[in-house]
This record gives sequence, C-alpha cells and structure tokens, in this order.
Amino acid sequence: DADVTQTPRNRITKTGKRIMLECSQTKGHDRMYWYRQDPGLGLQLIYYSFDVKDINKGEISDGYSVSRQAQAKFSLSLESAIPNQTALYFCATSDSRTDYEQFFGPGTRLTVL
Amino acid sequence: KQEVTQIPAALSVPEGENLVLNCSFTDSAIYNLQWFRQDPGKGLTSLLLIQSSQREQTSGRLNASLDKSSGRSTLYIAASQPGDSATYLCAVVEAGTALIFGKGTTLSVSS
Repeated sequence: DADVTQTPRNRITKTGKRIMLECSQTKGHDRMYWYRQDPGLGLQLIYYSFDVKDINKGEISDGYSVSRQAQAKFSLSLESAIPNQTALYFCATSDSRTDYEQFFGPGTRLTVL
Repeated sequence: KQEVTQIPAALSVPEGENLVLNCSFTDSAIYNLQWFRQDPGKGLTSLLLIQSSQREQTSGRLNASLDKSSGRSTLYIAASQPGDSATYLCAVVEAGTALIFGKGTTLSVSS
C-alpha cells in the first residue's frame, strides 16, 4: 500500500462549488504539506502543517483552507472553486525527527469548469 | 526570497550518454536539497537528498553534488537509458519551511 494517499485522484467540478481534497499517510510523519503544480510555473506551496495544532499559509493560500484532522490526515478545501484553480494538487509529508526528506502522494487532477 | 533555477529547461540525448543537470539557488542558508523525478501527469519520486553538511550522495547511476557556498547542485546521470526520460526537479528546504522548487529539466533519452 502507498504511504501517502490522495483522494480523489481526478475531479471535475463547476465554478462556485465547494471541493475537498483529502490526504492520508501511514509514514508516521509529523509534517504535512499541500502543493499545487501548474504547467510552466512549477510547484507552489499552498499550506503546511508541522503538527495537528500548527498550520501555516504558503505562498498561494488565497482561496484555499486546510484542516489537520489527525497527525495522519490533512485535507485541502476550495470554498468556492474558480477556473484558475484548475491544476494538479500534491500532498507531501516529512519527519522533523530525521532529515526532513519529503515524500509525495500521487496527486489529484482538479478541473474547474 | 529564495529562488531555485534549473538549467537547461529541456535536454535530449542519445542512449548511453552521461549527462549533468544543473540547479542553482540564491540563498545558501539551506537545510537540505532534494532531487525528484516526475513522469508526465504523475507524482514526484524522491531520488536523492543531500543534507547541508554533505557534499554528495549516490544512488545507482545517479550522483548528486552540493556546493552550498556557491549555491549550486548538480545531478549526474551515468549511462542514460530511455527509461530515464522524465522531468527532474530540484528543491531546497530552509529551516522551518517547506520545499522551494525549481521549474525542472525535462530529459528525453532516445534509443
């Protein structure tokens, strides 16, 4: 089984809809991250969490919110989706007790019409 | 603000060639540097992690070096194969933050 899983893997939605992307990990890592990837722009950080009670905004957090429900779960919400949020979304984890190497989930391809 | 640059943006080589991918970063105060591979439409696979105190790391045909003082890292791929075709991403971690990525080098190895 994959260590970092994301659901759904693909999602098509309409402008104005609320969307939640979920991430779960079995690696026992304390830190979790949400990134967005757009062609030509690379990966950009949306939000990150160093533990359940510590959540921080990344460089492109506007229009997004997150929830760290447990150490193993970190969800990303788009409260009112817009077309320019169409992108590939990745969740990642790392362990502050070791070397901070980040491990990525398979990604969610989101299309907002 | 930390910026990560990868050169070249794209590279095409025949099978069997040795090649070097370059990564530079503007602020040398990094915690570590990580190289990833990404196949089209897929997730990121971690290739090598170099701590700031290290000079290089090796895994199979891959060797990554780090010169923190000059803000540079290289990924050396020996005896390239068509299966190495992918986008290679370099990213740095500063203390207390997440990864900052370059835009990647897209490698194509022809048989």
